[in-house]
Amino acid sequence: AQSVSQHNHHVILSEAASLELGCNYSYGGTVNLFWYVQYPGQHLQLLLKYFSGDPLVKGIKGFEAEFIKSKFSFNLRKPSVQWSDTAEYFCAVIPYGNNRLAFGKGNQVVVIP
Amino acid sequence: GAVVSQHPSRVICKSGTSVKIECRSLDFQATTMFWYRQFPKQSLMLMATSNEGSKATYEQGVEKDKFLINHASLTLSTLTVTSAHPEDSSFYICSARDGTSGGTSTDTQYFGPGTRLTVL
Repeated sequence: AQSVSQHNHHVILSEAASLELGCNYSYGGTVNLFWYVQYPGQHLQLLLKYFSGDPLVKGIKGFEAEFIKSKFSFNLRKPSVQWSDTAEYFCAVIPYGNNRLAFGKGNQVVVIP
Repeated sequence: GAVVSQHPSRVICKSGTSVKIECRSLDFQATTMFWYRQFPKQSLMLMATSNEGSKATYEQGVEKDKFLINHASLTLSTLTVTSAHPEDSSFYICSARDGTSGGTSTDTQYFGPGTRLTVL
């Protein structure tokens, strides 16, 4: 079945540490890729998205993600996290020509001051 | 950025009653809105796609007679949970697609803050 996989549901790290969250999808063909963030008590916000072009995408708040087509991956990274990055992060995929987002299960990230 | 609101943010109701949740796009027109359900510590599950002026498209396993969706205008979609039962207790989230990019799969979806439904 087509799916979006996020591993290591719970991630705990200290401030200034680097963060990398993996996202793999199993859809064939062209896809559009998104990372959303949900801060405690807030709604989902778009961090970044990839449609085409440079596979290294820069988003808000210092986040970036790299699309590796051969690995069906779209991993999210931030070189140095802050306490305010504590949130849940969701990877999402839309197959090209579709309008329905498929979400991964999310990564709960806790940054310790 | 685009803003989507939901009302109410929290509702508690008795079993057997119906609850209506509103989703509004505040500063853009949304031809398509989506309704999701999120269980604790789980991902968002798409329930249905709501298109303005036409019937909603429900995902497999979602009862259309239980979860009534109306998308009467370009800025408003409503989800009515009919004859609610405790198992319907959940976090319901809507999103609205900003159709300005001209492509269904490249349009960004903006999410509402969610509605916490508790059925006693």
